[in-house]
Amino acid sequence: DTEVTQTPKHLVMGMTNKKSLKCEQHMGHRAMYWYKQKAKKPPELMFVYSYEKLSINESVPSRFSPECPNSSLLNLHLHALQPEDSALYLCASSQQGTLSEAFFGQGTRLTVV
Amino acid sequence: AQSVTQPDIHITVSEGASLELRCNYSYGATPYLFWYVQSPGQGLQLLLKYFSGDTLVQGIKGFEAEFKRSQSSFNLRKPSVHWSDAAEYFCAAEGGKLIFGQGTELSVKP
Repeated sequence: DTEVTQTPKHLVMGMTNKKSLKCEQHMGHRAMYWYKQKAKKPPELMFVYSYEKLSINESVPSRFSPECPNSSLLNLHLHALQPEDSALYLCASSQQGTLSEAFFGQGTRLTVV
Repeated sequence: AQSVTQPDIHITVSEGASLELRCNYSYGATPYLFWYVQSPGQGLQLLLKYFSGDTLVQGIKGFEAEFKRSQSSFNLRKPSVHWSDAAEYFCAAEGGKLIFGQGTELSVKP
């Protein structure tokens, strides 16, 4: 199994809502990532978890809250988002963090209304 | 600062023609290098990677890339493009964290 699975595929939420994005991998990878991608732009790194601990936060606003319950799961909790947060959110995993190839999920298309 | 540059924002080629997408990197040491492809609204799929060794690497879907240290380049090639290759292509470098180039959109003419 070389898949990274993200749910939901699409999400529409209001600015006062609380929602969560989920990501799962069963490749035994110990590093997991959240990226944000706007249309016609490259993915931008948001968070990195290494061995279930947050190792990188790229100065992401606190309305985005990551969580890594175990080595296979990664969540991104969303609260009080703004319309400009609408984007494709990509999860990725890699075997050991840096210096290894990353496998990406299909993404969650988020629209904030 | 570490950076990856893809000079071509958009390229159009005819089906059956050859393809070369350019990528240059700026790092203190040679990073790990990757090419990813992304279809609209989809995730990224790894085409190929370079860690060390042979500078010509083969990937999936008939793609190959050549690492040239002297030019700090890692260009992607395909001898004969198929209509299904139309997509966004990202070059990326890993030297502590994965950094992407701006992407090259490939269109294929029938």
